[in-house]
Order: sequence, then C-alpha cells, then structure tokens
Amino acid sequence: DTEVTQTPKHLVMGMTNKKSLKCEQHMGHRAMYWYKQKAKKPPELMFVYSYEKLSINESVPSRFSPECPNSSLLNLHLHALQPEDSALYLCASSQIQVRGYTFGSGTRLTVV
Amino acid sequence: GDSVTQMEGPVTLSEEAFLTINCTYTATGYPSLFWYVQYPGEGLQLLLKATKADDKGSNKGFEATYRKETTSFHLEKGSVQVSDSAVYFCALSPDTGANSKLTFGKGITLSVRP
Repeated sequence: DTEVTQTPKHLVMGMTNKKSLKCEQHMGHRAMYWYKQKAKKPPELMFVYSYEKLSINESVPSRFSPECPNSSLLNLHLHALQPEDSALYLCASSQIQVRGYTFGSGTRLTVV
Repeated sequence: GDSVTQMEGPVTLSEEAFLTINCTYTATGYPSLFWYVQYPGEGLQLLLKATKADDKGSNKGFEATYRKETTSFHLEKGSVQVSDSAVYFCALSPDTGANSKLTFGKGITLSVRP
C-alpha cells in the first residue's frame, strides 16, 4: 500500500458545525503533515507530527485541532470555521530522515 | 530563509513541443529538490526528485538536474502531451531536521493543446 487516503473528499459545513477530516497511511511512515491549499496557490504547512507527537504548529488558529491517535492515522478537527477557511486540505506522510512526501488527494472544504 | 522561485506562468504549448520550466532556489547546505504535479481536482503527486548535486531525477519523460553552481532544478520534457496539462510545483526540503517542511514555489500552470 503506497497511498495516503483522505476522507471525506468533499465537505460543506456551517460556521457553527464541528467536523473532522481523516487521513490514513499504511506505509510505516512516522511523520505526518497537514497542509492547506487555496486555489491557484502552493500548499501551506499547518502541522507536523513526528512519532505521533506534534512537532510543528505553524501558528494555526485554534479552530483547527490536529490529532494523531496512532502511527497510521491523522485527524484534523474543525470547529467554528470561517468562510475564508474554505480550501483544499492535504495530508502527507514521509519516513523520518528521508525527504520526499506522499500526499493524499485532499478534502475540499467549503464553509458556508 | 529557504525559498523557491519558479518562472511566471501560465505556459501554453502545442502537443509534442519541448517543455522547460525554470526553478531556482535559495537554501543553506544541500537541500533535496522536488517537482510535484497537481492535476485538476486532485492532490499533489511526486514527479521526480534529486537529493544531491548533479543528481538527475526522471519520471514519465520528465527530467531535472540538481545544479548546485546555479542553484537550479529546471524541469524538461522533450515532447509534451495533452495529458501533461497540470500545475507543476518545484519544492525543496532542507538537509537538516528529521521531518523538516517542504518549501514550495508558486507553481506554474501548463496547458497543452492538441
């Protein structure tokens, strides 16, 4: 299995909703990442987990809450989002010390 | 800090034309360099990579050579196809840190006409 699987593929949520994005990989990668990508822009790093511990938080607002319950799973919990948070959310994974990420196909989030 | 500069786009070519997309970088030490491709409505796919100077990455007819002296990693393909239409991102990862982040260029949209 050489894939990173993200669910759901599309999500529409209201500003008062609570939802979660899920990311799963079975490649034995011990680093996992959340990126946010706006239209026609490069991805922007949000969070990095290394050995299931949060190692980088790129000053992301607290309405985004990451969680890494085990070495294969990465979640992003969403609460009280704003319309400007609408974007493609990408998950990626990599081996520690080996550079070169595998990206998922993303969750396209629309906040209404 | 680290940075990646890509040529301005978009780029429109006819099928079977030669493609060059320029990428230069600024980084300390010996970063790893990557080209990612994003097809419409999809995530990013690693196209090729190079981890040290003079390495040539290649995949699906695309090539790029890590040039330390010119801090460049230009992407080339001898004969493009309509199916190559996508957004192409050049990126680097520094040579330090167990899980250091990717720094991306702005990306360039390639459209190939039949």
